[in-house]
Amino acid sequence: GENVEQHPSTLSVQEGDSAVIKCTYSDSASNYFPWYKQELGKGPQLIIDIRSNVGEKKDQRIAVTLNKTAKHFSLHITETQPEDSAVYFCAARNDYKLSFGAGTTVTVRA
Amino acid sequence: DAGVIQSPRHEVTEMGQEVTLRCKPISGHNSLFWYRQTMMRGLELLIYFNNNVPIDDSGMPEDRFSAKMPNASFSTLKIQPSEPRDSAVYFCASSSEPNTEAFFGQGTRLTVV
Repeated sequence: GENVEQHPSTLSVQEGDSAVIKCTYSDSASNYFPWYKQELGKGPQLIIDIRSNVGEKKDQRIAVTLNKTAKHFSLHITETQPEDSAVYFCAARNDYKLSFGAGTTVTVRA
Repeated sequence: DAGVIQSPRHEVTEMGQEVTLRCKPISGHNSLFWYRQTMMRGLELLIYFNNNVPIDDSGMPEDRFSAKMPNASFSTLKIQPSEPRDSAVYFCASSSEPNTEAFFGQGTRLTVV
């Protein structure tokens, strides 16, 4: 089955700086890579996604990149704000099955 | 739409008791997923329904776990008998198609003492 590894497990950044989270996956059949943000006491919420026929996607302050050959994908948050503090999960999907990374706890220091 | 609705939000029960978690998917969505989240294992897929039919239950940990989807607007996850190691947050998610965006509910935090 799919194995998704996510790094780092925790990330502390100064407000206004950038945050980068990296993931690798093992199953070359995976073709969809979403990123979820989970706030305390809530369910994961999709913030951005990328499909395997695209190398990069941007939505305001967040961007994702995908390297299919290396089976790497990354989340970039620029100009971080306190409300970006949360746990972020990467995932890889093959057909209907989403496999999640272990999560990154992001803390934005004011 | 109100999103995926789960109940209860919190459940505390004694070991050996039966626990039933409930989920109402987003109207019109034909795919429903139950996930379990723990510190040790992260987010794991337990079972996947498509058009009310269980398609993949390979993630259901033991026979103590069962799930049903009697109609397109309701699903249950039952644990009988419950054990302390079942303590976790259980999420239900739905999507319009199996390979489209999955929307998660707020989760049920289960504590078995």
